Amino acid sequence: GESVGLHLPTLSVQEGDNSIINCAYSNSASDYFIWYKQESGKGPQFIIDIRSNMDKRQGQRVTVLLNKTVKHLSLQIAATQPGDSAVYFCAETYFNKFYFGSGTKLNVKP
Amino acid sequence: DTGVSQDPRHKITKRGQNVTFRCDPISEHNRLYWYRQTLGQGPEFLTYFQNEAQLEKSRLLSDRFSAERPKGSFSTLEIQRTEQGDSAMYLCASSLSLRGEQYFGPGTRLTVT
Repeated sequence: GESVGLHLPTLSVQEGDNSIINCAYSNSASDYFIWYKQESGKGPQFIIDIRSNMDKRQGQRVTVLLNKTVKHLSLQIAATQPGDSAVYFCAETYFNKFYFGSGTKLNVKP
Repeated sequence: DTGVSQDPRHKITKRGQNVTFRCDPISEHNRLYWYRQTLGQGPEFLTYFQNEAQLEKSRLLSDRFSAERPKGSFSTLEIQRTEQGDSAMYLCASSLSLRGEQYFGPGTRLTVT
């Protein structure tokens, strides 16, 4: 299958540790943000989203934090598992268009 | 419903040929999106449909590219006079609402030789 993640920033964590993946977005008018996970040879998979009127949202083992002042988004994954190994993209929405960041490769070491 | 499907999964074509890809969204989703992804990069937005209406087009979508969704169900993306720079993964996604989860298909991998 296709190998996504070449030449991407890589975050290596030990299994069981918490992971934090960061993203800087570009447009202060963006009103909706999404984190996606992409495994090799597959399309992106939704993880969690957040609207611009919130600064934190929690899901199952994942938390997204939004700091609109500095246009920064982060994804926290608790108790990282080998199955979390993938490329993670943040995406922002404004003017009915969707813009993805360049991605971070998460490598979970057993 | 098994999710978003795309056909073909892989396409190899010679420069100058036309190619057409198909996307079948999740049946109750009225929004459909096309993206292009090159190796090591995030998906780039190409265009977006609400039902059969094409509401947004990226400036990436040159006049060689055209997308249709004639009955508000499946969609096709055609690339005319392909160039080597068109080699990429073409992803389709669908959703129920504009500010909601997009479900992606597995993509069509285009290689232009």
